[in-house]
Amino acid sequence: EPEVTQTPSHQVTQMGQEVILRCVPISNHLYFYWYRQILGQKVEFLVSFYNNEISEKSEIFDDQFSVERPDGSNFTLKIRSTKLEDSAMYFCASSEVASGRARGFFGPGTRLTVL
Amino acid sequence: GESVGLHLPTLSVQEGDNSIINCAYSNSASDYFIWYKQESGKGPQFIIDIRSNMDKRQGQRVTVLLNKTVKHLSLQIAATQPGDSAVYFCAENIEDYGGSQGNLIFGKGTKLSVKP
Repeated sequence: EPEVTQTPSHQVTQMGQEVILRCVPISNHLYFYWYRQILGQKVEFLVSFYNNEISEKSEIFDDQFSVERPDGSNFTLKIRSTKLEDSAMYFCASSEVASGRARGFFGPGTRLTVL
Repeated sequence: GESVGLHLPTLSVQEGDNSIINCAYSNSASDYFIWYKQESGKGPQFIIDIRSNMDKRQGQRVTVLLNKTVKHLSLQIAATQPGDSAVYFCAENIEDYGGSQGNLIFGKGTKLSVKP
């Protein structure tokens, strides 16, 4: 079965630094998503992306966050100035269509630790 | 003290027994539900879904039951195996105009532990 891949698996950074989390969605998928999961908490939606623009974002996705599809395969999440509370698992997902009926495939996640 | 959020409900079952994991969803307008399995260090994995016009759906070894009256969802796993050990959580979605994957609202989850 095709998979979503994410790099790095673990990122440690100092507060205030910029981080870029990378994802390679499934190749024929058109809709891309970022979620985060703080340790022991629920998975939370951050942003969805289609046709090279953001289609939805949550309240969590503030001006410190940005997403980009720099080429035909990668999908990135940038946090400009990390805060301690940004420490979490970040999951990328992709789907063929946007509908909640569509099965979204999640990547293995990047664990971000902000010190 | 520790945050309540760090403590997941835990269900411990013997290998071969059936497991029932429950979820109370929040929005009476939700009309689509998904169960996910999350193994340690991995992303959520789709197990089974159900629409609100159904009250039961069966997959391979799994059955989802939906009770809209009390906003309750359950996942039944037959003949539970050690490989089923994971955190299971439900997600709900409102398929109004423009409904999307982004509208998924996730539950906190239940940790299933299978004893050999």
